Amino acid sequence: EAQVTQNPRYLITVTGKKLTVTCSQNMNHEYMSWYRQDPGLGLRQIYYSMNVEVTDKGDVPEGYKVSRKEKRNFPLILESPSPNQTSLYFCASSWRGTGELFFGEGSRLTVL
Amino acid sequence: GQQLNQSPQSMFIQEGEDVSMNCTSSSIFNTWLWYKQDPGEGPVLLIALYKAGELTSNGRLTAQFGITRKDSFLNISASIPSDVGIYFCAGPNTDKLIFGTGTRLQVFP
Repeated sequence: EAQVTQNPRYLITVTGKKLTVTCSQNMNHEYMSWYRQDPGLGLRQIYYSMNVEVTDKGDVPEGYKVSRKEKRNFPLILESPSPNQTSLYFCASSWRGTGELFFGEGSRLTVL
Repeated sequence: GQQLNQSPQSMFIQEGEDVSMNCTSSSIFNTWLWYKQDPGEGPVLLIALYKAGELTSNGRLTAQFGITRKDSFLNISASIPSDVGIYFCAGPNTDKLIFGTGTRLQVFP
């Protein structure tokens, strides 16, 4: 089954404790992206990757890092989480950045 | 950055009613996409539009690509409880998609 898998689905952490949200897709897509969803603000792009070893900032990249060492994986790293990073995060992939995006089920992160 | 404005922000309707929502942009798009997000899930593509004036249906859903290329419309006919969710429009901006702020739909029996 074609899918984008994120882990963890739910996480509560404390300010400053590094965490990683993993994302994996099994569709051989070249393009992958991370979004955060906040009430009233819709989906805002954090980082995206056009291919292996190619990453770029989205609209809200501050406080986040990503890496793309393999085609299927695109982890999101919060080096020192802060409460304003409490949000619902989605990973997505597609053949190209402007085409149909396939989304994961989301990871709800709470930073205390 | 570039923004897509969706209206209404939320809708509360009775089962069986028809629904209309729209998405507008200050700049021209060559593609319009409509996604639906069920509660607790990630967004899923409903309809894709590739040509100005295009009208495309997917079951009870119909979407139109505005003639000006700066807007798009989504209609849902005879709503049912499972239509509940957030509907997002999206359009390409250089090498990525940008999303509207969403229309939240509630359907009451």
